[in-house]
Amino acid sequence: EPEVTQTPSHQVTQMGQEVILRCVPISNHLYFYWYRQILGQKVEFLVSFYNNEISEKSEIFDDQFSVERPDGSNFTLKIRSTKLEDSAMYFCASTIRETDTQYFGPGTRLTVL
Amino acid sequence: TQLLEQSPQFLSIQEGENLTVYCNSSSVFSSLQWYRQEPGEGPVLLVTVVTGGEVKKLKRLTFQFGDARKDSSLHITAAQPGDTGLYLCAGAGKNDYKLSFGAGTTVTVRA
Repeated sequence: EPEVTQTPSHQVTQMGQEVILRCVPISNHLYFYWYRQILGQKVEFLVSFYNNEISEKSEIFDDQFSVERPDGSNFTLKIRSTKLEDSAMYFCASTIRETDTQYFGPGTRLTVL
Repeated sequence: TQLLEQSPQFLSIQEGENLTVYCNSSSVFSSLQWYRQEPGEGPVLLVTVVTGGEVKKLKRLTFQFGDARKDSSLHITAAQPGDTGLYLCAGAGKNDYKLSFGAGTTVTVRA
């Protein structure tokens, strides 16, 4: 069964460093999302992406964040200068149609020291 | 952001008992999804409900979407230890389809 994959599973970085989290959505899906979950808190929406542009972003998704679909398969989330409070699980999700079910990847645990 | 309130936050029951988890909002959702999440992993889809009043069954799990599409419930019959986990509800908005998640219900089924 097709699934969303994410790499790395765990990323440790120093405050101020740039990180890139990678996702491979399900191959025929067209809508892509990033969510994050701070330990002990709810899963929160960050950004949605369709047709090579951002459809919607939350207040969390400030200028330090960017997303890109550099080729036909990868979908990346870049944090330019990480802060301690960026430590969280980051989940990628994809769906074939905007109104359809979103399927989640296993997540990347980002730890900022 | 549309708020989803999940209750209870924690639920501990004996094997064989039934349980119900509730998901409530003042907002109308175009669809509502139930996920199960293991520690350190991503949410795994259980079911999507779309139509008001819809009932879906997945073995011993029964999911219901409220008539007004503002609330949902998950009922587990004859719970087993393998049902132990974190259950999340997530609603998709009417005009935007990003998901708003509930805080989750941690279910523990004792053998």
